[in-house]
Amino acid sequence: DTGVSQNPRHKITKRGQNVTFRCDPISEHNRLYWYRQTLGQGPEFLTYFQNEAQLEKSRLLSDRFSAERPKGSFSTLEIQRTEQGDSAMYLCASSLGAFTQYFGPGTRLTVL
Amino acid sequence: QQQVKQSPQSLIVQKGGIPIINCAYENTAFDYFPWYQQFPGKGPALLIAIRPDVSEKKEGRFTISFNKSAKQFSLHIMDSQPGDSATYFCAASTPSNTGKLIFGQGTTLQVKP
Repeated sequence: DTGVSQNPRHKITKRGQNVTFRCDPISEHNRLYWYRQTLGQGPEFLTYFQNEAQLEKSRLLSDRFSAERPKGSFSTLEIQRTEQGDSAMYLCASSLGAFTQYFGPGTRLTVL
Repeated sequence: QQQVKQSPQSLIVQKGGIPIINCAYENTAFDYFPWYQQFPGKGPALLIAIRPDVSEKKEGRFTISFNKSAKQFSLHIMDSQPGDSATYFCAASTPSNTGKLIFGQGTTLQVKP
């Protein structure tokens, strides 16, 4: 399968713990996006990478959130000191250029 | 101004019907308008997309109608099937900028056999 992959698919954690998610984009896609989706809502933009450079961060991305894309390949999204409000589906998408974004299956985070 | 408003929130049609989902936007800098389909537990999948230089685009049973002056666009699903039952999201972006997608709130479609 050459689509976008995300790991883990599900993560249950206790409030206050740190979690890290990984996204592997489609090979050679230079753009990578992270979105967050809560139940019954559309995805909301979190951050954007072009190659290894993080070029935009949403105000939704508090200081507890950090994202990296070393060497312009896979990306990680870390949430420190998780809160119950962080419970959501975290989606990664990649694109070659500015148009069609291909989404991964998401990582569902539950914070107890 | 960054919002995309989508309606209706939910829709039920009989097999063979033509559900129509509407979206409206304010930001005139948007110039790429995709529609995504999402099944429970899955990521969104691109269905069809349009640029403002055309008023209609068809791909298979899916048609986008675009009204630039009204800043509205809609998705029509011809000959709908039970397998089309899913949540549909419209979105908008400015590809010349970051290309980040601004999504509507979603429409849950149920097609009854």
